[in-house]
Amino acid sequence: AQSVTQLDSQVPVFEEAPVELRCNYSSSVSVYLFWYVQYPNQGLQLLLKYLSGSTLVESINGFEAEFNKSQTSFHLRKPSVHISDTAEYFCAVTPEGGTSYGKLTFGQGTILTVHP
Amino acid sequence: KAGVTQTPRYLIKTRGQQVTLSCSPISGHRSVSWYQQTPGQGLQFLFEYFSETQRNKGNFPGRFSGRQFSNSRSEMNVSTLELGDSALYLCASTASGDYNEQFFGPGTRLTVL
Repeated sequence: AQSVTQLDSQVPVFEEAPVELRCNYSSSVSVYLFWYVQYPNQGLQLLLKYLSGSTLVESINGFEAEFNKSQTSFHLRKPSVHISDTAEYFCAVTPEGGTSYGKLTFGQGTILTVHP
Repeated sequence: KAGVTQTPRYLIKTRGQQVTLSCSPISGHRSVSWYQQTPGQGLQFLFEYFSETQRNKGNFPGRFSGRQFSNSRSEMNVSTLELGDSALYLCASTASGDYNEQFFGPGTRLTVL
């Protein structure tokens, strides 16, 4: 079984400041990792994913996340945030190989609020 | 390609009633997963269907059920509604492959009075 812990339930930050949203996971098998973003009254949108290869993955809108296997972490970072980044962010994992049959295990979410 | 669609978007029911929610996956996607999202419990996996077969199920009571049709559209049903069933119900579709990159619909907001 897998579990995901997002260490901060809320992160307030000023516009153009850097931000880090922390995610740790627990699993007895290797996993794929994801960050999803949810805007108010909407579903989840995939932000970025780690499947294999380079441990640093990037999204098209400036977010990046680094997979650290020894620390079982997958923290999300952005060097300069915008008001439009205000949303709830979810870290999720699933076992490699597709054996979980559709099940993603999510963290509790981190609400990022960007202030002007 | 059209995204995942869910109907209805909002629903109000009273305790004891039953409800059916619908999900149409992205064209070509054969796997549909359902999740319940609440402020207290977060996002919890309900079940997954592939080619009309339930392959995986989360820890929910038998009042929660689902099915998938030959065109991959899926429905979930909740019988004997309880106040605690008030939630956002999300479905997600997945293309074939060895990793679960899921594409989510906008959700159905169910309120039980």
